[in-house]
Amino acid sequence: ETGVTQSPTHLIKTRGQQVTLRCSSQSGHNTVSWYQQALGQGPQFIFQYYREEENGRGNFPPRFSGLQFPNYSSELNVNALELDDSALYLCASNPGTSGSLVFGPGTRLTVL
Amino acid sequence: KNEVEQSPQNLTAQEGEFITINCSYSVGISALHWLQQHPGGGIVSLFMLSSGKKKHGRLIATINIQEKHSSLHITASHPRDSAVYICAVLWGQKLVFGQGTRLTINP
Repeated sequence: ETGVTQSPTHLIKTRGQQVTLRCSSQSGHNTVSWYQQALGQGPQFIFQYYREEENGRGNFPPRFSGLQFPNYSSELNVNALELDDSALYLCASNPGTSGSLVFGPGTRLTVL
Repeated sequence: KNEVEQSPQNLTAQEGEFITINCSYSVGISALHWLQQHPGGGIVSLFMLSSGKKKHGRLIATINIQEKHSSLHITASHPRDSAVYICAVLWGQKLVFGQGTRLTINP
């Protein structure tokens, strides 16, 4: 097992900028999901991709978008960054559309 | 109102005590996850349940689908069990998280 990796580990941006966060899923896991965790809060579901198609979305605006690639990697893009976007962003992969989740270590985004 | 409620929010206990963390949810679900998050953010999946009971080492998870309730038990607790424990329910394709229970085990 290769596990789930995320890059970068930490990132600082300014309000209005755009950011791309990356996730490399565990080999063979064709479902990836992204979560936002504000300080002191539980994670919030952003969206899920299965075989390169979005198949579930939480209560996040369209400026949060994603991509999933055939090589088990994925991206979370956030446009027009706002201060409240500062959080830990986690991705998780699992085989199929259900099953045990494997989380990455997260990317901590700070928006100034 | 949160769709997933955990209790207690904070729990401090002495090493060796039996620990119970509860999770209640208000929607029909296909599965429930128990997760462990250590300081620094890393999340580890402990259990995924759709019915009954699962056991792994000193950890036991149960779920009652009719009552929309799940519990996570830790037997013979140890300081290394100190972490935030989160339950998350799978509702369609959406995973809805509780706020977490911060557990501290003192030696």
